Amino acid sequence: QQPVQSPQAVILREGEDAVINCSSSKALYSVHWYRQKHGEAPVFLMILLKGGEQKGHDKISASFNEKKQQSSLYLTASQLSYSGTYFCGTAKTSYDKVIFGPGTSLSVIP
Amino acid sequence: DVKVTQSSRYLVKRTGEKVFLECVQDMDHENMFWYRQDPGLGLRLIYFSYDVKMKEKGDIPEGYSVSREKKERFSLILESASTNQTSMYLCASSFGKATVFRETQYFGPGTRLLVL
Repeated sequence: QQPVQSPQAVILREGEDAVINCSSSKALYSVHWYRQKHGEAPVFLMILLKGGEQKGHDKISASFNEKKQQSSLYLTASQLSYSGTYFCGTAKTSYDKVIFGPGTSLSVIP
Repeated sequence: DVKVTQSSRYLVKRTGEKVFLECVQDMDHENMFWYRQDPGLGLRLIYFSYDVKMKEKGDIPEGYSVSREKKERFSLILESASTNQTSMYLCASSFGKATVFRETQYFGPGTRLLVL
């Protein structure tokens, strides 16, 4: 079952923060985050495994709450280069297919 | 750097034609995937392969078949193209055989297919 992402779209000014949520009705083993810039291939951001971990890279971080079956992607002090569509993918077990959500369109404007 | 290439960026075909989409990866990855991407639906898995000559159905395999004769190449075949197969098709690859879906997936640039 496809995870739900919210919001569907968001517009930010440079320097503002954003949170993108990904939730599932099923218990999750892992959550995968990718970003796709317009006209380009999706690019991996991070994978979070169950255990309630949090990961970060530069000003983009994510958390995974397995009890709530959801993950959140945090973008702080957004830059123009953050614009794109963010996809989360979820898997129920380590051997299960990753099912991607519909994506969240993020636009950062000057 | 991992490189995943797809044979065409844009393709226009007629209903009923047989269509081949080719994908090649250069990093000796075990796993390869085909997705289609449609607005509002995200990425949906069509087929994947974890070894040469091995294939598994994804979530939407109907109307498609695949071929993996060599490790680096994974082909998607539309036996008889239909208008509802107009879409963006993305190929991806990942490293490990034992952990097909725990690995980072590296995507190709996509093929935008229009079926008239």
